[in-house]
Amino acid sequence: QQQVKQSPQSLIVQKGGISIINCAYENTAFDYFPWYQQFPGKGPALLIAIRPDVSEKKEGRFTISFNKSAKQFSLHIMDSQPGDSATYFCAASNQGGSEKLVFGKGTKLTVNP
Amino acid sequence: GAVVSQHPSWVICKSGTSVKIECRSLDFQATTMFWYRQFPKQSLMLMATSNEGSKATYEQGVEKDKFLINHASLTLSTLTVTSAHPEDSSFYICSASEDRASKGYTFGSGTRLTVV
Repeated sequence: QQQVKQSPQSLIVQKGGISIINCAYENTAFDYFPWYQQFPGKGPALLIAIRPDVSEKKEGRFTISFNKSAKQFSLHIMDSQPGDSATYFCAASNQGGSEKLVFGKGTKLTVNP
Repeated sequence: GAVVSQHPSWVICKSGTSVKIECRSLDFQATTMFWYRQFPKQSLMLMATSNEGSKATYEQGVEKDKFLINHASLTLSTLTVTSAHPEDSSFYICSASEDRASKGYTFGSGTRLTVV
């Protein structure tokens, strides 16, 4: 019930391409779905987050698509750049409950020049 | 935006000694802070939830006597690794939220602990 499953484990994309990372969850009580970007030796930084009352949220080159019925959400990075090379984590929490963030296992993205 | 400051960024200590890591919310008050541990190429594992003025809530399998957490004020939480051993070497990260409903969670920059 508490798991968030993330795929793929690693992703290689050419500069200018679209990077897509997928996550699935089981706990229907989750109501906050953030994506974090982490560079080596640094803490995670919030990229973008969505709540289940909307199906899509876009901020610059980053878009979250959310499918409540399928219990899935994904991150799309448009026009991927070498500077986007990092590890990306999806997460979920129940803001009205324990509020603990449950993380996916992460996706290492490499954007080739 | 919300800033969480974590110190030190790295520390090397001898086996058997204790190490304290500080986590401060610089521009907001954090009723709750979270402490995570991250092994190389792995995800973040929640260790405990730290509430201001009360005892921390530890996740299953986390030794509360080994990892002492204190949340003395709305802007400061500390994690003390007691009697550290090489297996405690890891990347420790804290996070806090000013208003989870609208502002999400902000993470510190992490502390790399190496026990020799």
